[in-house]
Amino acid sequence: GAGVSQSPSNKVTEKGKDVELRCDPISGHTALYWYRQRLGQGLEFLIYFQGNSAPDKSGLPSDRFSAERTGESVSTLTIQRTQQEDSAVYLCASSYGTGVHEQYFGPGTRLTVT
Amino acid sequence: GNSVTQMEGPVTLSEEAFLTINCTYTATGYPSLFWYVQYPGEGLQLLLKATKADDKGSNKGFEATYRKETTSFHLEKGSVQVSDSAVYFCALSRTQGGSEKLVFGKGTKLTVNP
Repeated sequence: GAGVSQSPSNKVTEKGKDVELRCDPISGHTALYWYRQRLGQGLEFLIYFQGNSAPDKSGLPSDRFSAERTGESVSTLTIQRTQQEDSAVYLCASSYGTGVHEQYFGPGTRLTVT
Repeated sequence: GNSVTQMEGPVTLSEEAFLTINCTYTATGYPSLFWYVQYPGEGLQLLLKATKADDKGSNKGFEATYRKETTSFHLEKGSVQVSDSAVYFCALSRTQGGSEKLVFGKGTKLTVNP
C-alpha cells in the first residue's frame, strides 16, 4: 500500500515568508508525528497527534510553528516569518494508535530559508 | 530527560568486515529501543527494535541487545555489504502523557567499500 507522503519535497523561501508543509499519513494510522532534522543533527520531535486527543506540542521550538490535522488524515505544518535557522528537513511519520508501534516515515521536505 | 548518544561517524569499512555502532541512552523507567536506517535518497525506516531488557532485535543480519545494566543498545553485523552503506540512527521511545515520541541520536554514517 501507499506509504507516508509529504509535499513539497523541496522548498526554498525568503526569510520572513510563511511556509506550509503537508503530510499524508498511511490510511488507518491514527498517530501522526512531525520531526525536524537539521544538518548534522539527529531528529528533533516537534508535535504529535493521536486521534481526537489534544496534540502534544511540547517540541515546537517557537510560536512561529503550528500544525493542524483534520481527523485522522492530512496534517499541515506551518512556519510563520521563517528564519534561516528553520532550514532543515521536516519529516512526518505515522503509526497505529498508542503503544509501541513502528513509526513509518515520509521522505521529508527539505526547507531552505535564504 | 531522555537522551540517546551514539558513536560519531563517519565509519568506513571494507566489505565483509565486522560492524559495531555504539549506542547508549538515558531514560527513566524502561524505554523501548530502536535502530532506524536511512539509505541514500530514501526515507527513514525501522531496522530493528527491542521493547524490554535482554531482548535482542534482529533484521537483515543486524542485531542489537537491550542491556539495561549498561543502558546500551549497540548495533552489530558480522559481515557488512556495500548495500549496507547508509546512516544509522539509534532511538528510544517512552510514553509520556500518551505520546510515543521518539528521541533520536545524531546518526552514524556508514560507508562500505568493495
